[in-house]
Amino acid sequence: ETGVTQSPTHLIKTRGQQVTLRCSSQSGHNTVSWYQQALGQGPQFIFQYYREEENGRGNFPPRFSGLQFPNYSSELNVNALELDDSALYLCASSLGQGAGGNTEAFFGQGTRLTVV
Amino acid sequence: GNSVTQMEGPVTLSEEAFLTINCTYTATGYPSLFWYVQYPGEGLQLLLKATKADDKGSNKGFEATYRKETTSFHLEKGSVQVSDSAVYFCALSDRGDSSYKLIFGSGTRLLVRP
Repeated sequence: ETGVTQSPTHLIKTRGQQVTLRCSSQSGHNTVSWYQQALGQGPQFIFQYYREEENGRGNFPPRFSGLQFPNYSSELNVNALELDDSALYLCASSLGQGAGGNTEAFFGQGTRLTVV
Repeated sequence: GNSVTQMEGPVTLSEEAFLTINCTYTATGYPSLFWYVQYPGEGLQLLLKATKADDKGSNKGFEATYRKETTSFHLEKGSVQVSDSAVYFCALSDRGDSSYKLIFGSGTRLLVRP
């Protein structure tokens, strides 16, 4: 059984650029959630994908978008990067429509994004 | 909206000391409650959970009891080790229209000295 893997682990982008982060969910999991963790803060929910469709969204602007593929892996895309987008981006996979509830969410190690 | 409040850190203890990290929550309904741990440079790991009032979650010597009357889920350990040094996050599950999401507190850094 493979865990949740994210790539890349670190990257640096310039303000205004676009970035794509990737996540492979744990084997057998069909739900992926993305979280943004600013330095010294708790993770904030961005959105969730279930069976290739967005299934819930947090308080993030439309320039944050995502995809889920038939193998349940997922991408997070951020357009027009701002300095405040610098954060650790965490992906969590789970089985069923929950990164919570009675189902356990398994987190990847995250992608550290720095916007300069 | 639903929210989680944790005690601010850092919490610095000597090895074998007793640990308490306070967590209170605000929620409609009866969410599940979680403690996650984040070691340096790593993602989040589920430490323990409780799904209903009066449930006690436990793992690796850590315990927390779901207290509905005080809306609390305090984390405790009787004897901490240097290897317990990490950031601890309290969280609740928030049921939206069609999905659950986790709402986290701001985290409490624990430093255990030999």
